[in-house]
Amino acid sequence: DIQMTQSPASLSASLGETVTIECLASEDIYSNLAWYQQKPGKSPQLLIYYANSLNDGVPSRFSGSGSGTQYSLKINSLQSEDVSIYFCQQNYDSPPTFGAGTKLELK
Amino acid sequence: QVTLKESGPGILQPSQTLSLTCSFSGFSLSTYGMCVGWIRQSSGKGLEWLANIWWNDDKYYNPSLKNRLTISKDTSNNQAFLKITNMDTADTATYYCARRELPGYRGFDYWGQGVMVTVSS
Repeated sequence: DIQMTQSPASLSASLGETVTIECLASEDIYSNLAWYQQKPGKSPQLLIYYANSLNDGVPSRFSGSGSGTQYSLKINSLQSEDVSIYFCQQNYDSPPTFGAGTKLELK
Repeated sequence: QVTLKESGPGILQPSQTLSLTCSFSGFSLSTYGMCVGWIRQSSGKGLEWLANIWWNDDKYYNPSLKNRLTISKDTSNNQAFLKITNMDTADTATYYCARRELPGYRGFDYWGQGVMVTVSS
């Protein structure tokens, strides 16, 4: 199985800040990388697919980048509603695998 | 509008079989490229993909649980099902169904609210 390593495990930031979350795959996944946001008590919601494509309805302050084994999710101008856990997931090989998550809190 | 909703027993005893139903609307599993998958989330193991069933009845399972899983669908009633045999306390988790469609790199674009399943004697 392809291992997905996310960092940091938790992150504290202030309103208006820019935050970046990293995801490292154990092998090349050729941009087959999705990012999900999970708000407290809710199910995960797709934010970004194919490494850098924004899902419908997702605010433009979210962006994704990366290639090969290294990927990142960037949130510009942090809002209070962005407090969530963020997961990466590879769709290149079966079984699809997820990162352990990054918990984002407000400072 | 795409919606999915899981249903299941809530609690069951070790060694029993878990039967889950995913009822969905806004798409059809008879449409080319459509898929419903099952994913579970526990505090110990995070998010774990379990199985996918595609519009053409192709089925894929997580090898770590393959012998215990059976996925199926009822296209006429817009439902998908997952059975897990020989449940253990380690299978206690929230179980989600989610939609996926080709091309596969899009990931799971709609998720149900999840159903909590507790395995306890």
